[in-house]
Amino acid sequence: DTGVSQDPRHKITKRGQNVTFRCDPISEHNRLYWYRQTLGQGPEFLTYFQNEAQLEKSRLLSDRFSAERPKGSFSTLEIQRTEQGDSAMYLCASSWDRSSYNEQFFGPGTRLTVL
Amino acid sequence: AQKITQTQPGMFVQEKEAVTLDCTYDTSDPSYGLFWYKQPSSGEMIFLIYQGSYDQQNATEGRYSLNFQKARKSANLVISASQLGDSAMYFCAMRLGYNTDKLIFGTGTRLQVFP
Repeated sequence: DTGVSQDPRHKITKRGQNVTFRCDPISEHNRLYWYRQTLGQGPEFLTYFQNEAQLEKSRLLSDRFSAERPKGSFSTLEIQRTEQGDSAMYLCASSWDRSSYNEQFFGPGTRLTVL
Repeated sequence: AQKITQTQPGMFVQEKEAVTLDCTYDTSDPSYGLFWYKQPSSGEMIFLIYQGSYDQQNATEGRYSLNFQKARKSANLVISASQLGDSAMYFCAMRLGYNTDKLIFGTGTRLQVFP
C-alpha cells in the first residue's frame, strides 16, 4: 500500500495556459476526490468519482475545470485558461466505500502558482 | 447551511500536557459523520478520528479522543500527552447523510507543542 500519489508536486504556469494534474489512488480504493486548498483555509470540495463515474461536482467549479477517471484507477484534473485566482494546493484523496468510516486518504497535493 | 466552525486559529501546549481543539458544526441532516485530520507542514492530510452522528459513545484512537456533544453540535478533539510531533494544522470536517460523500472542512487550528 503505497498511498495516494500526485504528480506534479509543484506547477508554475502563466495566466491563460492549460494545466493537468494526475492522481493515483490507493489501489483497492473505488472512490476518488479532488479538493482545492488556499492559504489559511481548509480544503474545499471540487468533485468525486466512484470508479469511473463522476458522482458530484461542486457548483463553485468553473467550466474551465474538468476531471476524468477513465478506467476507474488514476484521475486527471485539467484547468483551462488558468487565472491567478486558481493558485492553490490541489489535493486528491481516495477511499473504499466498504471501510468502517469510508475515511478519505489524502495525497501530498499539487501546488499550482499562476503568474 | 452546512458549515464547520473552528474558532481557535492557534493553540499552544506544553509537551506531555493535554489540549482540546474546538469544532462546532451546523446541519439539519440527522445523519452525518465528523472527522479530524492533521496536516503537518509537509501538506499531507492525515486521518485521525471519526464520529458518526448515531454513535452513542465518544470515539477514541490512541491519544486522540473526540468529545461529541450532539445537542451543542460540537465535536472537540482532545489530544492527551502532547508530543512535539503533534505540532501541525488540525482540521475538523463533516460528511453529510446519504446523498453525498464530500467533506466540508473548517478553517483549521494551528497547534504548537513546546518543550
